[in-house]
This record gives sequence, structure tokens and C-alpha cells, in this order.
Amino acid sequence: DAKTTQPPSMDCAEGRAANLPCNHSTISGNEYVYWYRQIHSQGPQYIIHGLKNNETNEMASLIITEDRKSSTLILPHATLRDTAVYYCIVRVGGIYNTDKLIFGTGTRLQVFP
Amino acid sequence: GAVVSQHPSWVICKSGTSVKIECRSLDFQATTMFWYRQFPKQSLMLMATSNEGSKATYEQGVEKDKFLINHASLTLSTLTVTSAHPEDSSFYICSAATSLGETQYFGPGTRLLVL
Repeated sequence: DAKTTQPPSMDCAEGRAANLPCNHSTISGNEYVYWYRQIHSQGPQYIIHGLKNNETNEMASLIITEDRKSSTLILPHATLRDTAVYYCIVRVGGIYNTDKLIFGTGTRLQVFP
Repeated sequence: GAVVSQHPSWVICKSGTSVKIECRSLDFQATTMFWYRQFPKQSLMLMATSNEGSKATYEQGVEKDKFLINHASLTLSTLTVTSAHPEDSSFYICSAATSLGETQYFGPGTRLLVL
């Protein structure tokens, strides 16, 4: 079973920041938070992951609370092409680990003009 | 990011026939590959984990004799749906983990329609 809770849907105006929350209150010390997104009829796309520090890459920022029980994915300037289902997943991470990803129901983000 | 391909992208077959789907990691070696299935308006469901050179590990409720998985090389895994029936119609997606294992990259998916 998925270990995360996400709102089923969110709207965001184009050009604005999209903040997608995720609760993972039972996360273990060796589990990372991963974010993927799935645009309609495509395979999921990796976005970002982190353990406890905030992370940023060219796609997004990941903010993890100090107690690690929740996190927020931030798309700083949402575009129409960011419309997708966003999945927050926790799994044991780190190098040389190939633990499986268990997908929950995700958040359907709709970016509107 | 790393590139994973799937072939074919879509397939239509008659009930009772077998269908093979290929998953390739194009620019990296994948020690572990995963197969998922996704029904309309539902999330991805993990079917099995395959490690190069060994037998696949199937999730509970997935019939290993119906969904044959072969991972013969570090860049190729295949899923064969044997004796397909209409209820097997779905979107099949593979993913590959890099040798470091930190991240999985997904293929574009294969849409199967069984008539």
C-alpha cells in the first residue's frame, strides 16, 4: 500500500507557482521522498527526490519538513505542459538500492491559462 | 535523464494469442527492471520486478505463467502476455533502475487491446 497522502486534484494559473503537498507521516529514517509525474497516456517522468534536505533542480524544488512527515513539491512557474498527475512516493533510497516504487493515487494538477 | 524505450507502443490482438512487449534501456545498463500495468483512470500497479539473469519476482495476485518476464541482458527485458483475453487490455509500462539504483526511469508505455 502507498505510504503517502495527496489531495486528489489542484488547479494553478499559468505562470504561478504550483505547490503540491504530500503527507508521509510513517516515513522511516532510511526512506527517501520521490516525485514523479505522468502526463496523459505517457510513462511517468522522474522529477526530484530527497531525504531530509531541501532539493532543487531544473524542474522543481522539494521542501521536506524538519520532522520529515510531509513535503511540498514546488513548480516555480507552472505552464500548460505541467498539467499531469503528480505522484509522491516514499521508498528506501540511496545508491545500490533498487527497491520498488509503489504508486498511490496522486494529485491531478490542472494548469489553466 | 536516462532513456527507456518500449516496443511496440500499441498493439491490438485477438483473444487467445500471445503478445510480447520489449523494454530497453538505451543509454545505461539496468540491473533491475520493473513492469507495471495501468487501467483507465487508475494508478500504476506493479506487476513484477526482474533482475538480469534471474527469475522475476511477481507481486501478489499476478500470474507468473500468464505474464512471462525475461531479463536476458542489462539493457533488455521482455513481458509476454500469454493467451491474452479482453480483461488483459491495459497500458503496460516498464521502468529501469540505473546500476546505482537511486532513480527509476520509465518507458513511454505500451497500450494493449485484446479483442
